[in-house]
Amino acid sequence: QQQVKQSPQSLIVQKGGISIINCAYENTAFDYFPWYQQFPGKGPALLIAIRPDVSEKKEGRFTISFNKSAKQFSLHIMDSQPGDSATYFCAASKRWGNTPLVFGKGTRLSVIA
Amino acid sequence: NAGVMQNPRHLVRRRGQEARLRCSPMKGHSHVYWYRQLPEEGLKFMVYLQKENIIDESGMPKERFSAEFPKEGPSILRIQQVVRGDSAAYFCASSPPDGANTEAFFGQGTRLTVV
Repeated sequence: QQQVKQSPQSLIVQKGGISIINCAYENTAFDYFPWYQQFPGKGPALLIAIRPDVSEKKEGRFTISFNKSAKQFSLHIMDSQPGDSATYFCAASKRWGNTPLVFGKGTRLSVIA
Repeated sequence: NAGVMQNPRHLVRRRGQEARLRCSPMKGHSHVYWYRQLPEEGLKFMVYLQKENIIDESGMPKERFSAEFPKEGPSILRIQQVVRGDSAAYFCASSPPDGANTEAFFGQGTRLTVV
């Protein structure tokens, strides 16, 4: 039973384009939704996170859109750059802080010049 | 201000041997989480510990796996009698003791290969 479903599995985007990664969750008890970025051979690093009380959060070129009724959230990377090429994971947990995370399977993003 | 330190970075074990993975949390952090990442998969939660206590081990296999976080020293994930299916990247994350509205920070992982 996969509690957080992520798509697509891989994504190729032209430099300057918009990268969009989608996630859907099942457990309505989830209350915190972070996105992590992972480069090869490294650990995941928190990119941006959202709580269900807002529908959108923006930090620089990264935006999370959140649809509570549909139980879906997505990551948008504007003006994608080759340095953004990495694997992106969505995740969810029942609260923000000191609670285990449930991860999606990841999206491998390649930004080509 | 060192981050979460995991060692070794790479570990090779023969089937049937024991694997010991160590995690030193960030300074001031008293909560530790272990996750396993199989190839082409996301991270799967294994166990959540505070100093000297296991808080949640719902993701731990029932046999051969154990974890501890002693009062002094790093957290240890121990895998006894390893099998090929244990080959994976094991990540540790830590967070501060004050609980709410805090992020967990990940280490760089230990890549275990069972031959």
